[in-house]
Amino acid sequence: EAQVTQNPRYLITVTGKKLTVTCSQNMNHEYMSWYRQDPGLGLRQIYYSMNVEVTDKGDVPEGYKVSRKEKRNFPLILESPSPNQTSLYFCASSGPGGPNTEAFFGQGTRLTVV
Amino acid sequence: QKEVEQNSGPLSVPEGAIASLNCTYSDRGSQSFFWYRQYSGKSPELIMSIYSNGDKEDGRFTAQLNKASQYVSLLIRDSQPSDSATYLCAPGGGATNKLIFGTGTLLAVQP
Repeated sequence: EAQVTQNPRYLITVTGKKLTVTCSQNMNHEYMSWYRQDPGLGLRQIYYSMNVEVTDKGDVPEGYKVSRKEKRNFPLILESPSPNQTSLYFCASSGPGGPNTEAFFGQGTRLTVV
Repeated sequence: QKEVEQNSGPLSVPEGAIASLNCTYSDRGSQSFFWYRQYSGKSPELIMSIYSNGDKEDGRFTAQLNKASQYVSLLIRDSQPSDSATYLCAPGGGATNKLIFGTGTLLAVQP
């Protein structure tokens, strides 16, 4: 089954404790991206990747890091989480054409930073 | 001016009516346009894509695109309570490689 898998689904952590949210897709997609979703602000793109070893900032990259060492994986790293990073996070991937084609989303990760 | 603008709603329509959702975008280079549906707490899922000016119909859904006016809309005919969700507009690509979404319109279909 074609899918995008995020882990964990729910995470509560403390300020400053480094964490990683994993994202994996099995569709051989080149384009992958991370979003955060907050009430009233919609989906905002954090980072995106056009292919292996090619990443670029989205609209809200501050406080986040990503890496793309393999085509299927695109982890999101919070080196020193802060309460303002409490949000619902989505990973997405798209096939040839990248942002001009359908995006497939993971199930979401609800992160709470206390 | 926001890159993608949608009325946040809620848009309330009675069951069986036509729901009309609108979206304007600022990037004239956008060539592809998508409508996603998102139920509360769930992931967005694609319901319509449109690439050319005019109308595109798929079942109860019709997408309309006017590139000159930088306007895209979604019509839902015979609205059902199960259509109650947030609808996200996403103009693809354009001048950047970002996939940007509007803030979404909350649709409530009243039985």
